[in-house]
Amino acid sequence: DTGVSQDPRHKITKRGQNVTFRCDPISEHNRLYWYRQTLGQGPEFLTYFQNEAQLEKSRLLSDRFSAERPKGSFSTLEIQRTEQGDSAMYLCASSQASTGELFFGEGSRLTVL
Amino acid sequence: QQQVKQSPQSLIVQKGGISIINCAYENTAFDYFPWYQQFPGKGPALLIAIRPDVSEKKEGRFTISFNKSAKQFSLHIMDSQPGDSATYFCAALRANYGGSQGNLIFGKGTKLSVKP
Repeated sequence: DTGVSQDPRHKITKRGQNVTFRCDPISEHNRLYWYRQTLGQGPEFLTYFQNEAQLEKSRLLSDRFSAERPKGSFSTLEIQRTEQGDSAMYLCASSQASTGELFFGEGSRLTVL
Repeated sequence: QQQVKQSPQSLIVQKGGISIINCAYENTAFDYFPWYQQFPGKGPALLIAIRPDVSEKKEGRFTISFNKSAKQFSLHIMDSQPGDSATYFCAALRANYGGSQGNLIFGKGTKLSVKP
């Protein structure tokens, strides 16, 4: 499978716990994006990387959220001290910097109890 | 502030009919307008995209119509099939943000149901 891979697909946690999601992009893509999607809404941009550099962060990305892409390949998104409002689908996408075509993974669904 | 406004929220079409979904944008810096299709439990998948130097693009049963002066674009699905039942998102990409492409801004989506 050469698409965007996300893990885990579903995470259930209690409020206050930390969670981490992993994304493996398409190998030749240098851009990696994180989006959040809640029920009945379109994906909302969180942050993106070009290679290992984090180029932009949305105001949605509070200080409890941190994303890394240490070697310019896979990325992790960590949410500390989770809140019920963090419950959402977290989508990862990758692209070549020269195009606008984003390829999305199947997402990691977070449920905070 | 919603930069890409999509309508309708939901749409029911008979098999063989034409499905039309509309989007309007505000930022004239957008220069790439894709449509994504999303099935339940799956990530969005690129369906078709257009740049503002053309007014229409057709791929199979899917057509994008683009009106630059009105800042509007629409997706037409001809001969709609039950398998087309999904949520459709329009999006817009900010051009040359700091010399490179920025990120996609999505509409809120249209849930399409095609009845047999």
